[in-house]
Amino acid sequence: EVQLVESGGGLVKPGGSLRLSCAASGFTFSSYSMNWVRQAPGKGLEWVSSISSSSSYIYYADSVKGRFTISRDNAKNSLYLQMNSLRAEDTAVYYCASPEEVVTALRTWGQGTLVTVSS
Amino acid sequence: DIQMTQSPSSLSASVGDRVTITCQASQDISNYLNWYQQKPGKAPKLLIYDASNLETGVPSRFSGSGSGTDFTFTISSLQPEDIATYYCQQYDNLPPKLTFGGGTKVEIK
Repeated sequence: EVQLVESGGGLVKPGGSLRLSCAASGFTFSSYSMNWVRQAPGKGLEWVSSISSSSSYIYYADSVKGRFTISRDNAKNSLYLQMNSLRAEDTAVYYCASPEEVVTALRTWGQGTLVTVSS
Repeated sequence: DIQMTQSPSSLSASVGDRVTITCQASQDISNYLNWYQQKPGKAPKLLIYDASNLETGVPSRFSGSGSGTDFTFTISSLQPEDIATYYCQQYDNLPPKLTFGGGTKVEIK
């Protein structure tokens, strides 16, 4: 069974840092790009970042550029999101997601992990 | 940046009704348009990819069409389990970026 499991969410003060992890299983993780997508409470979906299969290509939404860093460890089948200089508007459920063979869409999603930025 | 305009933002329909949601791109995106279903407290689920391809295991009452800038998502006969929010999503490859529409909340009348 294809599965993505996020962890690392929690409550953090404005200006603080947090590192999210996503553990993948049931598919050849090292063959596919990976993404982070977030959803603020009661709001829509926002793409955050993507990383190619070999980490050669990395992209960010303008809203997080310079503050967030995406990375992966193919040996551990894991994806990460290092979040620095957090703001209240970063409060959201963060999902990791994989396109697999579809390429242009996100076929597999994790259950999400909640990040709350508040003093 | 490409903008996606999804409408309506909400709708109410009866069981068995045909439901249609539209998504308009601010520029030509070919067929790089996907549709997701999200139920409360759950992750989104891919239903339609590349405008009209039904994801494996998704009921055939769901369909998608369109190309260029105008796209349509249809539920041919609304079922109680279809109550959810639906999102369109476009894929831009220069540079790679995903943009979601604002969502359509579907309720039973």
